Amino acid sequence: DAGVTQSPTHLIKTRGQQVTLRCSPKSGHDTVSWYQQALGQGPQFIFQYYEEEERQRGNFPDRFSGHQFPNYSSELNVNALLLGDSALYLCASSLGGPGQAGYTFGSGTRLTVV
Amino acid sequence: GESVGLHLPTLSVQEGDNSIINCAYSNSASDYFIWYKQESGKGPQFIIDIRSNMDKRQGQRVTVLLNKTVKHLSLQIAATQPGDSAVYFCAENSLFGNEKLTFGTGTRLTIIP
Repeated sequence: DAGVTQSPTHLIKTRGQQVTLRCSPKSGHDTVSWYQQALGQGPQFIFQYYEEEERQRGNFPDRFSGHQFPNYSSELNVNALLLGDSALYLCASSLGGPGQAGYTFGSGTRLTVV
Repeated sequence: GESVGLHLPTLSVQEGDNSIINCAYSNSASDYFIWYKQESGKGPQFIIDIRSNMDKRQGQRVTVLLNKTVKHLSLQIAATQPGDSAVYFCAENSLFGNEKLTFGTGTRLTIIP
């Protein structure tokens, strides 16, 4: 049973560029959350997708956007990259609507902005 | 906003000894707490959780204690092994109406052989 799969594993982008990160949830999970983890810090919640809609959003600018597809996979898009966007981006999947917990995290995508 | 913090950024423990990692939380509305282990190059891995109607919960070699009066959470790891070396995070969640996890900065646990 595959867990959460993220691609790519590493990525280097230039300031001002745009990036798309991808996530396939654990089999049977229908909810995807994205987190940003700066070096030496805990993960920070970006947003969560359920039933192809953004259900909740953290304190991130509109440059961060996402999408969930009918097969529950998800993309995270970041426009106009800043040096400060360099971080590990984690995808977590879970099952169900409000009140459900039990996240499974992927290994993340390491984004470096130069 | 509310946040979850940790008392100690690093902790070194002799192999075979017990370790205790502490965490303070500030959101009194939190009703679900989770401990995660993160090894280098990997995502957070679930260790154990506890709901706010409990004070203690035990797993295999791990115990989580919750003191709601002082908003304090701890993770006890018994008979530590080299594989326990990692960064440990506590995270807070509200089961209803707020699905996001709020993480602390983390504690790096190093097991000394």
